[in-house]
Amino acid sequence: DVKVTQSSRYLVKRTGEKVFLECVQDMDHENMFWYRQDPGLGLRLIYFSYDVKMKEKGDIPEGYSVSREKKERFSLILESASTNQTSMYLCASSEGLAGLAKNIQYFGAGTRLSVL
Amino acid sequence: TQLLEQSPQFLSIQEGENLTVYCNSSSVFSSLQWYRQEPGEGPVLLVTVVTGGEVKKLKRLTFQFGDARKDSSLHITAAQPGDTGLYLCAGARYTGKLIFGQGTTLQVKP
Repeated sequence: DVKVTQSSRYLVKRTGEKVFLECVQDMDHENMFWYRQDPGLGLRLIYFSYDVKMKEKGDIPEGYSVSREKKERFSLILESASTNQTSMYLCASSEGLAGLAKNIQYFGAGTRLSVL
Repeated sequence: TQLLEQSPQFLSIQEGENLTVYCNSSSVFSSLQWYRQEPGEGPVLLVTVVTGGEVKKLKRLTFQFGDARKDSSLHITAAQPGDTGLYLCAGARYTGKLIFGQGTTLQVKP
């Protein structure tokens, strides 16, 4: 079974803090994604990566950055957390070229971040 | 801009009733996927439809992809309390990115 693990289920941070959300997948997938999920808005793509050290902006990258130093790990960074970044954050992974054709993404359980 | 409109956003029904959820877009997708998400968990893939007009069945769930590959529907027959959850449709781009609908929260009462 594909496993995507997010390091924290719940996080509470203060405005202005630097926040790291970690995601690890164990299926040697090339593609990894970070989304945020808000009621009534569905999932919105923040950043994605097709390969190690490679990153692409999604639809809402402002206020976020990412790091992918190893294939299995994709980190989302909030440089200076703000209250409007309070949300559920979901990490996903998918296979390489074959994955793009099938577009099957496997999700972690999510990290619920509250910024006070 | 929401490219994939999902409706209804909320649905509360009695056990045994039928229901249909719709996803509509003006864009063409390479495939369309349906996910189900339970509280405290990430979305889990139910089905992928690829060909225009395709119909797939998963027990009491029937998924259809529109002929023009712009829309899709999910029909549940004789809903059970175990069907309660958040249902998400997602249109796939050829780039590998997914565009998600807003989601439908389904509650099935015993």
